Amino acid sequence: DAKTTQPNSMESNEEEPVHLPCNHSTISGTDYIHWYRQLPSQGPEYVIHGLTSNVNNRMASLAIAEDRKSSTLILHRATLRDAAVYYCILMSYSGAGSYQLTFGKGTKLSVIP
Amino acid sequence: DSGVTQTPKHLITATGQRVTLRCSPRSGDLSVYWYQQSLDQGLQFLIQYYNGEERAKGNILERFSAQQFPDLHSELNLSSLELGDSALYFCASSVGISGTDTQYFGPGTRLTVL
Repeated sequence: DAKTTQPNSMESNEEEPVHLPCNHSTISGTDYIHWYRQLPSQGPEYVIHGLTSNVNNRMASLAIAEDRKSSTLILHRATLRDAAVYYCILMSYSGAGSYQLTFGKGTKLSVIP
Repeated sequence: DSGVTQTPKHLITATGQRVTLRCSPRSGDLSVYWYQQSLDQGLQFLIQYYNGEERAKGNILERFSAQQFPDLHSELNLSSLELGDSALYFCASSVGISGTDTQYFGPGTRLTVL
């Protein structure tokens, strides 16, 4: 079962910042917060991940609340190519030294030209 | 291009049949994952292999089985197919099994059961 809550959909104007929220109130100390996105007709694509501290990479920034019960994916300037379903996922320890991704419904981001 | 290849791209078959989906991971990746994506269930984790051994199982039906071969490619076998098995099947690979490992997804195999 998905352990994250995201809005079903969001809209953004092109070249404006986008803040995609995610709640994960039952997160455990060993869970990593991962974000993936799925463009139409493609497989999911890694965006960013973090544990406790905020993270930046060339695609996005991840802001993690101090209590880790929520996080926000930030796209600094949305482009039409960023239109996708964005999944906030807790990478949880599944035993045997392994971690598992559990996908929820995600947020469908529409970018308006 | 993620570096993960899946064959075939499309597969159309009839109920009761058996099919095999193939996945080649990125060079150097030891871990392979299988996922099913249907309209009503979203992306569901099925099973994970690491260096030839099964490591984690998700919502995989007993009619489905998988294996990872010594050359690290993996196959997902689906038998006694039902209409509800129609879905996109994704394979992903990662270097290891750490919580920080990125999973790289293939383009998927679209299975249609008639």
